[in-house]
Amino acid sequence: QQQVKQSPQSLIVQKGGISIINCAYENTAFDYFPWYQQFPGKGPALLIAIRPDVSEKKEGRFTISFNKSAKQFSLHIMDSQPGDSATYFCAASTSGSARQLTFGSGTQLTVLP
Amino acid sequence: SAVISQKPSRDICQRGTSLTIQCQVDSQVTMMFWYRQQPGQSLTLIATANQGSEATYESGFVIDKFPISRPNLTFSTLTVSNMSPEDSSIYLCSVEAIRVGKTEAFFGQGTRLTVV
Repeated sequence: QQQVKQSPQSLIVQKGGISIINCAYENTAFDYFPWYQQFPGKGPALLIAIRPDVSEKKEGRFTISFNKSAKQFSLHIMDSQPGDSATYFCAASTSGSARQLTFGSGTQLTVLP
Repeated sequence: SAVISQKPSRDICQRGTSLTIQCQVDSQVTMMFWYRQQPGQSLTLIATANQGSEATYESGFVIDKFPISRPNLTFSTLTVSNMSPEDSSIYLCSVEAIRVGKTEAFFGQGTRLTVV
């Protein structure tokens, strides 16, 4: 499996602030880039996903920015809330879908009240 | 969408024994996958469970250690064989299903395995 590098490992943000998590990849065959949110004791749940034909996708407070030439993508959480405190994983696949995902190392986000 | 039930949710097992984890989906799905998440780590794909044929394993994972069954389109099992403490992990079942016209991966809540 090709690697997906994620940073930072942990992030602390004040309530109302912007949380930004970054991922970089090498395999140019990746064509599907989802972000997952995981709470303790639960399986990951899809937050938002993007394909390389667009540079940005927004769903509510969550935005993916995608830079194909730099092979980077990032998750922005606007107006961060304590309920957003969780572990976030970026992922990628070469199938154009959610099959056989390669995950980043995860970012533990803490939003302070 | 798909709702996935995994059993057991957690177990503590003796070294050298085997544990079979069950994954039940509430709808028929073509693609089912098994992932491993070591404590505080990311998820690593173990194998794709193929209905009616042998599972497809990723590099570093072998059938003798992680035999997988997929008897139908809603059910799969993963067995962790001859366990050692290094097998202590969370094992997650995942399926590809359609929600709001798009395919996405759904995950079970995981099976937390501790080998002593």
